[in-house]
Amino acid sequence: QQQVKQSPQSLIVQKGGISIINCAYENTAFDYFPWYQQFPGKGPALLIAIRPDVSEKKEGRFTISFNKSAKQFSLHIMDSQPGDSATYFCAASMGSNYQLIWGAGTKLIIKP
Amino acid sequence: EPEVTQTPSHQVTQMGQEVILRCVPISNHLYFYWYRQILGQKVEFLVSFYNNEISEKSEIFDDQFSVERPDGSNFTLKIRSTKLEDSAMYFCASQLRVGRTGELFFGEGSRLTVL
Repeated sequence: QQQVKQSPQSLIVQKGGISIINCAYENTAFDYFPWYQQFPGKGPALLIAIRPDVSEKKEGRFTISFNKSAKQFSLHIMDSQPGDSATYFCAASMGSNYQLIWGAGTKLIIKP
Repeated sequence: EPEVTQTPSHQVTQMGQEVILRCVPISNHLYFYWYRQILGQKVEFLVSFYNNEISEKSEIFDDQFSVERPDGSNFTLKIRSTKLEDSAMYFCASQLRVGRTGELFFGEGSRLTVL
């Protein structure tokens, strides 16, 4: 119940295309869903996050879509660029609970 | 831009040795964390620390692990007797506050290799 399942494990997208990464969770007590971006040799950095009271959040080319009934959320990267090539992690946490539960990560490669 | 700094960037140690990983969180942050990432695997929570005490810890954080904030700026993770399976990248993170706007800021990590 504490797991967050992320797919795909790896993804190759042409420059200018849309990259889509999906996550699913079981625990309905989760109320915070961030996405982290990690470049090789660096720590994860918060990209965008959503709460379950909204179905979509957009920041620039990055959009989170959230489906509360299906217990799924996804990251869409529009107009994908080579600089977006990184590993992306979804995560979830519960209210004041400090622990982030992480997905397994998706290695995204944007081909020029 | 303020950042979380970690030292060393890479440490190689023999099995059974003690290791201390150091972190300097962002100065006005109140909540501190250690996570680890075994190569190619997911990031795993180890421990959170607030107000000079552990607020939460995972099953991974057994008696071999300890954390300390000895001087108000450094935040350390000690592994008393390292095992081969402790080989991982260890990330420190800090947070100004928990709740709706509490973004976690991560350091670049300390790679621990246990031989």
